Amino acid sequence: GDSVTQMEGPVTLSEEAFLTINCTYTATGYPSLFWYVQYPGEGLQLLLKATKADDKGSNKGFEATYRKETTSFHLEKGSVQVSDSAVYFCALNNAGNMLTFGGGTRLMVKP
Amino acid sequence: DTEVTQTPKHLVMGMTNKKSLKCEQHMGHRAMYWYKQKAKKPPELMFVYSYEKLSINESVPSRFSPECPNSSLLNLHLHALQPEDSALYLCASSLRTSGGTSNTGELFFGEGSRLTVL
Repeated sequence: GDSVTQMEGPVTLSEEAFLTINCTYTATGYPSLFWYVQYPGEGLQLLLKATKADDKGSNKGFEATYRKETTSFHLEKGSVQVSDSAVYFCALNNAGNMLTFGGGTRLMVKP
Repeated sequence: DTEVTQTPKHLVMGMTNKKSLKCEQHMGHRAMYWYKQKAKKPPELMFVYSYEKLSINESVPSRFSPECPNSSLLNLHLHALQPEDSALYLCASSLRTSGGTSNTGELFFGEGSRLTVL
């Protein structure tokens, strides 16, 4: 079946540092890929998405590129802020099946 | 309006109580979902409604009873819960569960209802 693997956290960075959160997936066909963010005490918000190979999703300074050859969708941001502290979930949706989530990665940004 | 609204935000109930969680969306989405999320874990799918009909039940105990009165509303009725059912319950919606060139498969989540069972 489909699966998503994320790097385990927590990831602790200083403000203005570069962020990478790795995400790889296993799926048949051509899934859509997503990053969701969950701030403390809140629900999940869609951060960005990509629906086909080589698409780049971007939002709020975050980017991720759909790499079919490496089955990856790594999340990056050039300069993190304290307000980016949250849990980030990588997910895929394959041909109308339900979302498959990775385990989540907690990011902590210190001033 | 791109919101999924859940009420209540917090609920404390005893094991003999009957309560309900409510979810509403006005985006014209025809698929609605209930997820359960424990601390430090990803959401786990419980139920899926597609065009107001229950299409997926992920072997959820019968003490959880979903209801979809119309295309905008989704309820989760709770009865005789156990302390281990304490969690964040998330409602989500999507355009539909499958098919169509406009359906890129993203789900829109509500803020969640945090349930504590005493």
